[in-house]
Amino acid sequence: SQELEQSPQSLIVQEGKNLTINCTSSKTLYGLYWYKQKYGEGLIFLMMLQKGGEEKSHEKITAKLDEKKQQSSLHITASQPSHAGIYLCGAYAMMNRDDKIIFGKGTRLHILP
Amino acid sequence: GAVVSQHPSWVICKSGTSVKIECRSLDFQATTMFWYRQFPKQSLMLMATSNEGSKATYEQGVEKDKFLINHASLTLSTLTVTSAHPEDSSFYICSASPGTSASYEQYFGPGTRLTVT
Repeated sequence: SQELEQSPQSLIVQEGKNLTINCTSSKTLYGLYWYKQKYGEGLIFLMMLQKGGEEKSHEKITAKLDEKKQQSSLHITASQPSHAGIYLCGAYAMMNRDDKIIFGKGTRLHILP
Repeated sequence: GAVVSQHPSWVICKSGTSVKIECRSLDFQATTMFWYRQFPKQSLMLMATSNEGSKATYEQGVEKDKFLINHASLTLSTLTVTSAHPEDSSFYICSASPGTSASYEQYFGPGTRLTVT
């Protein structure tokens, strides 16, 4: 079965610094989602990547899916306190209606003022 | 943008009682709705997938008779936790999708925190 591994598990960065979170799949990804969860709240959709080499940006957050479609990275530029939370990657192994999205265990991001 | 609401946002109930959680898509028709459960410091775990008008498909290990899912319309799905016990205390999140394949976005609700005493 497909597994998603996120690294690092937690991250503490100074406000204003850049950071990167990785999501690695054991199988080829046909669609990868990045979500943010504020502690104790529901998920907020950040972006979806489908094509190898695809890169998308949302405000100061950029995510990329590598050419082999087995790894995605999420990069935050000039981090702010509002970026703190848990970042989850989710993916489908195959594109069919019977498949389901699976999630990594999340990366906890803390921003120091 | 697409909005999914959940009600209630939090609920406390006594052991042995049943609790119903509603998930609504407010501005789109949700062909498929998903119910997730999240334990503290763990990832979301998919409980079941429901398509409007059909019986829900439950993940392995999820008791169908305990977690009743009804997707009666294209904008509403309900999850009923029957005869709740303290071990059912968790954060329950629903998501809704306008389509049935991986190419469609899933929009998540804000979650419902259930505490069983």
